Amino acid sequence: DAKTTQPPSMDCAEGRAANLPCNHSTISGNEYVYWYRQIHSQGPQYIIHGLKNNETNEMASLIITEDRKSSTLILPHATLRDTAVYYCIVRASNTGNQFYFGTGTSLTVIP
Amino acid sequence: EPEVTQTPSHQVTQMGQEVILRCVPISNHLYFYWYRQILGQKVEFLVSFYNNEISEKSEIFDDQFSVERPDGSNFTLKIRSTKLEDSAMYFCASSAPSHTDTQYFGPGTRLTVL
Repeated sequence: DAKTTQPPSMDCAEGRAANLPCNHSTISGNEYVYWYRQIHSQGPQYIIHGLKNNETNEMASLIITEDRKSSTLILPHATLRDTAVYYCIVRASNTGNQFYFGTGTSLTVIP
Repeated sequence: EPEVTQTPSHQVTQMGQEVILRCVPISNHLYFYWYRQILGQKVEFLVSFYNNEISEKSEIFDDQFSVERPDGSNFTLKIRSTKLEDSAMYFCASSAPSHTDTQYFGPGTRLTVL
């Protein structure tokens, strides 16, 4: 599975959009980009995933560059409850395989 | 919305004792996983389980660990003789057979070995 690079920490003002970048320059054609987050010591929470098209759901939007070497997770209106560690994971879609969690980006939403 | 549940939320045990951590995966899921997170460290994969057998395991998952699906709803992780370094959060996850294999995680069990 391809390695990802994320900034270790970011701040965002409450109510503003939070844009979390991820580099995955070695991504393969069959690998998806997944985003999870972990609030304090709770279980990782699935946010969104995509292959090559931009995706949006009720939680966030995922923008994947055309060459697929990087992506951005967008939380459109950050709240204090969005303070968490955000993990960008690239993985082939083989059911039953593990997710490799890196160190992620620690997002702090500031009032 | 269906979710993965885990019991107990916190388990305290003496070194050398056996512990069983329990998980109830999402009902229509067929793939089950255990991960652990030592305080302040990354989330680490332990094992995946499908069709009543282990499909993948990490080097952490040694002979002290075992998994079982004793009935149609529970998925358990047993640690035979706990060590101090087994103290961690243990997360269960499950996924449905699909081309994207999104894994859904439970809230975790905090294991403290004294």
